Amino acid sequence: KNQVEQSPQSLIILEGKNCTLQCNYTVSPFSNLRWYKQDTGRGPVSLTIMTFSENTKSNGRYTATLDADTKQSSLHITASQLSDSASYICVVSGPPSGGSYIPTFGRGTSLIVHP
Amino acid sequence: EAQVTQNPRYLITVTGKKLTVTCSQNMNHEYMSWYRQDPGLGLRQIYYSMNVEVTDKGDVPEGYKVSRKEKRNFPLILESPSPNQTSLYFCASSLWGPGSYNEQFFGPGTRLTVL
Repeated sequence: KNQVEQSPQSLIILEGKNCTLQCNYTVSPFSNLRWYKQDTGRGPVSLTIMTFSENTKSNGRYTATLDADTKQSSLHITASQLSDSASYICVVSGPPSGGSYIPTFGRGTSLIVHP
Repeated sequence: EAQVTQNPRYLITVTGKKLTVTCSQNMNHEYMSWYRQDPGLGLRQIYYSMNVEVTDKGDVPEGYKVSRKEKRNFPLILESPSPNQTSLYFCASSLWGPGSYNEQFFGPGTRLTVL
């Protein structure tokens, strides 16, 4: 069964500090991995999308890495801001050629940034 | 402005009273989908649609119906709502399916309470 596991479940850091969120998956075959940011009560917003040929993708202070061999990804947040407080969701999808139109979602990491 | 809209944003209803949550996108996207989000469970896909008149079940389709008569609209129908369908619902769209390298856009969410 395809699964996406995220860790930690929750994280509290001080403003200005860096942090790294983890995502491990068993989805096979693999097509792409996405990271989303979801503010409380709002829809997820895409941060990055990577295929197996990409091992790093940046979006401002957010940098995602992907190791397709070990099936692991991380999301690194640099110089955190109060507005980074949100849930971060990892989503993995298979290729359309495999008939996979249902992405597999992780349960998210809840990040709280304190001043 | 490119966006996915949902209505209503908040809805309180009673068991058995049919309801429809509308979803519309203005980006000419082929793929649309519905998710529900419950505490501790993350996002789970209910139904998806690859194109007009083409719909299929996601992970948790029981108790829901959808239709795709026009490319821009993808309503979610609860014929006989029950309390276990109390949840936060999101509609999403993308140019192609999740297995393709394209961004998925989420709506703002509909918070449904079934008494």
